[in-house]
Amino acid sequence: DAKTTQPPSMDCAEGRAANLPCNHSTISGNEYVYWYRQIHSQGPQYIIHGLKNNETNEMASLIITEDRKSSTLILPHATLRDTAVYYCIVRAIYNFNKFYFGSGTKLNVKP
Amino acid sequence: DVKVTQSSRYLVKRTGEKVFLECVQDMDHENMFWYRQDPGLGLRLIYFSYDVKMKEKGDIPEGYSVSREKKERFSLILESASTNQTSMYLCASTVQGAGPQHFGDGTRLSIL
Repeated sequence: DAKTTQPPSMDCAEGRAANLPCNHSTISGNEYVYWYRQIHSQGPQYIIHGLKNNETNEMASLIITEDRKSSTLILPHATLRDTAVYYCIVRAIYNFNKFYFGSGTKLNVKP
Repeated sequence: DVKVTQSSRYLVKRTGEKVFLECVQDMDHENMFWYRQDPGLGLRLIYFSYDVKMKEKGDIPEGYSVSREKKERFSLILESASTNQTSMYLCASTVQGAGPQHFGDGTRLSIL
């Protein structure tokens, strides 16, 4: 599976949009992009995933570039409860056992 | 919503004890997983199961075994607990294909 690169930390003001980038320049055609977050002392929480089209659900939007080499997770109106470590993961459809969490991005939402 | 339930949030055991960690999922998922999470090392896969009574070793199976007698339940067993097995243990489940893994809240295990 392709490797991902994320900034170690980001700050965001409460109420503003949080845009979390992820680079996956070696992604292949059958690999999906998944986003999770982990709030301290809890298990990872699934947020959203996509293959090549932009996706939106009640939690967030996922924007994947046309060449699929990078993506952005957007939390439209960040709250203090969104403070967490966010992980971007790339996985091929047939590798259901290959979920590799890297270091992620620590998002600090500030009042 | 998918619910993955781990039997304990916190557990303290002694060196040499046999330890059982239980995980139950309510979405009829075929695949279940056990990970441990340690600072600076991320999540590491211990074992996974793709069907009842089937199991496969992950990246760090030494010192662990698993049991899957029913589809909804996956147990992790520490045969003889050691202090280097002090960690956060996470269970997850998923369907086949592109579906995401869904995680439980974790068990923070301390071996004294």
